[in-house]
Amino acid sequence: KAGVTQTPRYLIKTRGQQVTLSCSPISGHRSVSWYQQTPGQGLQFLFEYFSETQRNKGNFPGRFSGRQFSNSRSEMNVSTLELGDSALYLCASRVKSGRGADTQYFGPGTRLTVL
Amino acid sequence: AQSVTQPDIHITVSEGASLELRCNYSYGATPYLFWYVQSPGQGLQLLLKYFSGDTLVQGIKGFEAEFKRSQSSFNLRKPSVHWSDAAEYFCAVVLNNNDMRFGAGTRLTVKP
Repeated sequence: KAGVTQTPRYLIKTRGQQVTLSCSPISGHRSVSWYQQTPGQGLQFLFEYFSETQRNKGNFPGRFSGRQFSNSRSEMNVSTLELGDSALYLCASRVKSGRGADTQYFGPGTRLTVL
Repeated sequence: AQSVTQPDIHITVSEGASLELRCNYSYGATPYLFWYVQSPGQGLQLLLKYFSGDTLVQGIKGFEAEFKRSQSSFNLRKPSVHWSDAAEYFCAVVLNNNDMRFGAGTRLTVKP
């Protein structure tokens, strides 16, 4: 089975722009979660989608949004980019939401640099 | 406050030496516990997980971890470290709401 894929792998944007990141989960996985990883804040949970619905949300401003499609693929959008949004954005998938013991499988991440 | 603590930011061990990475959590109930490893520029790979049963769990790459309820700890161990184990290691917990919380990570350097 193919793993979690994320596109693009690297992205450079300027302040004020918006960006969309994409995540394709492992086949059969219906839950997709997004995380932001920075040297200062570490790994922080952004949100989780399951069956095209946001199931859980971390403590991030409304500039961060996401969606999930019927094929379980997910996109994350960040509007009005700030320098502090520079980070590695990781996507993780699991079979379903609601069971904490389910393993999350992570993609390689998208490295976003905001200039 | 609920948290996951990895007290060691950076650890250096010699190749062939034993390794123990510490993880402590502070939650009211026993959470689901995970250890992940991240190589530079890569995503996270699951090493092992614990949610019930035997408190000593075996993972991939020769790693094991022991859950100690009395100490709220889930330390990761390996008897003999290989140079390829150099990476960053994250302890994580999942609560009832399925929110996964990560520790700050421990960077492992392996000396030849």
